[in-house]
Formats: sequence, structure tokens, C-alpha cells
Amino acid sequence: EAGVAQSPRYKIIEKRQSVAFWCNPISGHATLYWYQQILGQGPKLLIQFQNNGVVDDSQLPKDRFSAERLKGVDSTLKIQPAKLEDSAVYLCASSPLEEKLFFGSGTQLSVL
Amino acid sequence: AQKVTQAQTEISVVEKEDVTLDCVYETRDTTYYLFWYKQPPSGELVFLIRRNSFDEQNEISGRYSWNFQKSTSSFNFTITASQVVDSAVYFCALNPRGTGGFKTIFGAGTRLFVKA
Repeated sequence: EAGVAQSPRYKIIEKRQSVAFWCNPISGHATLYWYQQILGQGPKLLIQFQNNGVVDDSQLPKDRFSAERLKGVDSTLKIQPAKLEDSAVYLCASSPLEEKLFFGSGTQLSVL
Repeated sequence: AQKVTQAQTEISVVEKEDVTLDCVYETRDTTYYLFWYKQPPSGELVFLIRRNSFDEQNEISGRYSWNFQKSTSSFNFTITASQVVDSAVYFCALNPRGTGGFKTIFGAGTRLFVKA
């Protein structure tokens, strides 16, 4: 079974630029999550989708972050404009039943 | 409030030692799930175990064992006879199934170093 796919693996941008991350969840998983993991911390939930609807985006900085899940499958997370404090690993996870999470390898973002 | 506390930031042991990683959680929900995930240097979090709030039976899987105690709101993880490959960051997580919103909340993690 294919796992959660994320790209790119690494991204370096300058502050105020925009960036987008892509995630392809495990086939059949209804729930998709984007987490932000700052160095030395645990993952923090940014947004949770159930199929193509948003379940929770309470911790998403909506002035600069946006996310969508097209047709309830792939998802894209965008940051525009990026700030220095956005430097982190962005993890995508999927789950069949909102319980056990299957994670991708993450995208490591460095904002200079 | 929904919260997971892993008080140990880093632990260093010598191979073959036993090590226990502590996890204390807070939730007002009576139904919830607890998890442990492993994050090796490659970065991908790997699921280790899930426990629901109604099942306090301890579990053993090879060198890994978990002790769930609702009375102290703890879900501790023990590695017996540690190996170098166990070196990783370990996260305890809580998924409340009521007013907590059904989202998984992670602790800050414990970095385990196992030296040969």
C-alpha cells in the first residue's frame, strides 16, 4: 500500500515570498490533516479536512495560510507571504477514521 | 483544556538499558484515544500504539510496553533492552472524542539517544 506522498521535500524561500506544498493521502482515507512542526516541538494541527470539507482550521493563520482539498483527494497548503517564523516542517497525514494517523515525510521549509 | 505533557526533553541511555518515557494528559472528555508515535531521524512519524480510554489493560509488543493509568492520567512507554535503532523522538498524543473536537494533540516529544 502506498503511503502519504508529499512534495517538495525541502524548500528555501525568502521572507514575503509565497510557497505551496502538495499532499496525496493514502487512497480511501477520508480525513486529511496538515500539521506544522517547529524544531524541537510536537506537531501542531493547522487544518483538518473530512473529504473535501474543512472540519477544523482554528489554528490556521488565515491571513497568510490557505489550504484546499480538491475533490476530496489531493491537498495543497499555501503560505503567502511567508515570514521567518514559518520555518518548520509541514507534515501531511491521513486517516480512515480520525484516529490513527499515517504521516508523510514532510516538507522542510526554511524562510530566510 | 486538552493537553499532553512530556516532561522529559531528552534521555540518554546505553544500549541494553531499559528506559521509560513519561506522558501525562489532560482532557474533560470521558472517551478519548491515546497514542505513541516514533519520529526517527528521517522525519516521518510512525504509529506505535493506540489505546482507548475504556481499556486500561497494559500492552506489550516485543521490547515495547505501555502502562495506561487513568487515575494519574498517564500513559507511559517503556523500551526494554534498548538498541541504537531506538534512537528517535517519541511523541505521546491525545485524541478526545467529545468536546475536545476529535483532533489529535501532540506532546512536545522526548528525544531518546541510545549509545552503543
